[in-house]
Amino acid sequence: GENVEQHPSTLSVQEGDSAVIKCTYSDSASNYFPWYKQELGKRPQLIIDIRSNVGEKKDQRIAVTLNKTAKHFSLHITETQPEDSAVYFCAGHLFGNEKLTFGTGTRLTIIP
Amino acid sequence: NAGVMQNPRHLVRRRGQEARLRCSPVKGHSHVYWYRQLPEEGLKFMVYLQKENIIDESGMPKERFSAEFPKEGPSILRIQQVVRGDSAAYFCASSTSGANVLTFGAGSRLTVL
Repeated sequence: GENVEQHPSTLSVQEGDSAVIKCTYSDSASNYFPWYKQELGKRPQLIIDIRSNVGEKKDQRIAVTLNKTAKHFSLHITETQPEDSAVYFCAGHLFGNEKLTFGTGTRLTIIP
Repeated sequence: NAGVMQNPRHLVRRRGQEARLRCSPVKGHSHVYWYRQLPEEGLKFMVYLQKENIIDESGMPKERFSAEFPKEGPSILRIQQVVRGDSAAYFCASSTSGANVLTFGAGSRLTVL
């Protein structure tokens, strides 16, 4: 089955700086890669996703890049703000296998 | 649209009791997923259901755990004879078709004393 690894597990960034979280996946047939944000005690919420036919997608301060050859994808948050502090999960979807496999999460802390 | 509704939000059980967690998907969503999240850990897939069918239960423990999604009513995750290791947050998610754009519920936090 699909295996998704995520790094780093914790990340502290000065407010206004950029944050980058990286994930790798094992199965080259994976075709959908969402990112979820989970604030303390809250539900995971989708913030951005990318499909395997696209190399990069951007939504305001958030962007995701996908390298299919290397089988890794990254989340980039620019101009970080205190409200960006949360746990971020990447996930991979293997075509034909109807479930998302999640990474272990990155706890992002924005330092004011 | 009320989103994915889960109840109870918090449940306390003693060892050996049964826990029943309910999930009503987003209106119009026919695919339901259950994930378990242990404290300070990630989301572990448990089971994927469509109406009246279990599609993938590869993440469910072989004993004590069961899930259903009847034709009418919410999806139910049932844990029999709970043990302390079952203490976790159980999240339900739904989608319109397969594992695309999952919408998560607020979770049910089970504490086993």
